[in-house]
Amino acid sequence: NAGVMQNPRHLVRRRGQEARLRCSPMKGHSHVYWYRQLPEEGLKFMVYLQKENIIDESGMPKERFSAEFPKEGPSILRIQQVVRGDSAAYFCASSHQRQVNEQFFGPGTRLTVL
Amino acid sequence: GIQVEQSPPDLILQEGANSTLRCNFSDSVNNLQWFHQNPWGQLINLFYIPSGTKQNGRLSATTVATERYSLLYISSSQTTDSGVYFCAAHSGGGADGLTFGKGTHLIIQP
Repeated sequence: NAGVMQNPRHLVRRRGQEARLRCSPMKGHSHVYWYRQLPEEGLKFMVYLQKENIIDESGMPKERFSAEFPKEGPSILRIQQVVRGDSAAYFCASSHQRQVNEQFFGPGTRLTVL
Repeated sequence: GIQVEQSPPDLILQEGANSTLRCNFSDSVNNLQWFHQNPWGQLINLFYIPSGTKQNGRLSATTVATERYSLLYISSSQTTDSGVYFCAAHSGGGADGLTFGKGTHLIIQP
């Protein structure tokens, strides 16, 4: 009964490159959430997706960041033209139902931008 | 959106001691969770507790929804309990994600 899977666990990129973070939700879960943990800001919600739909992206930076959750395969958080300020831990969570159900978190991807 | 405040921000205890961590929230909640972030950075689910009381071994939690607070109790602390404890909540309105408090950094000394 695998939990939420994220890969890679660690990702190093140079400024201007693209970062792709992947998340596979727990079996039976169709709701995916992405969070970012910055050293000075704590854990912040970024985006909420269901299969093939972005439901709430109110926490996502307006530029360079995008997310998808295709019909088949994992959810992807994509950061284009990374900058040093994007260095953070990115966590994915999944739940069985929207909002009121318990969210389970993956181990996170630690992005370092050189 | 909902505001979540945790106290104390830091706590240093000797092994074997008991502790109480507090979480205040500014609105009614339909989801409240406690997490432990271990030294490796992983977020471990402790409790899903929008109301009531739950216990799991040496840990227990109580949420008094009408008074907008939750408490996490740790009894007979062990060094492996060290880390950051987060409370996170969601209310009916606002963004769909959980709003996290800033955490309580707990250090258990041998």
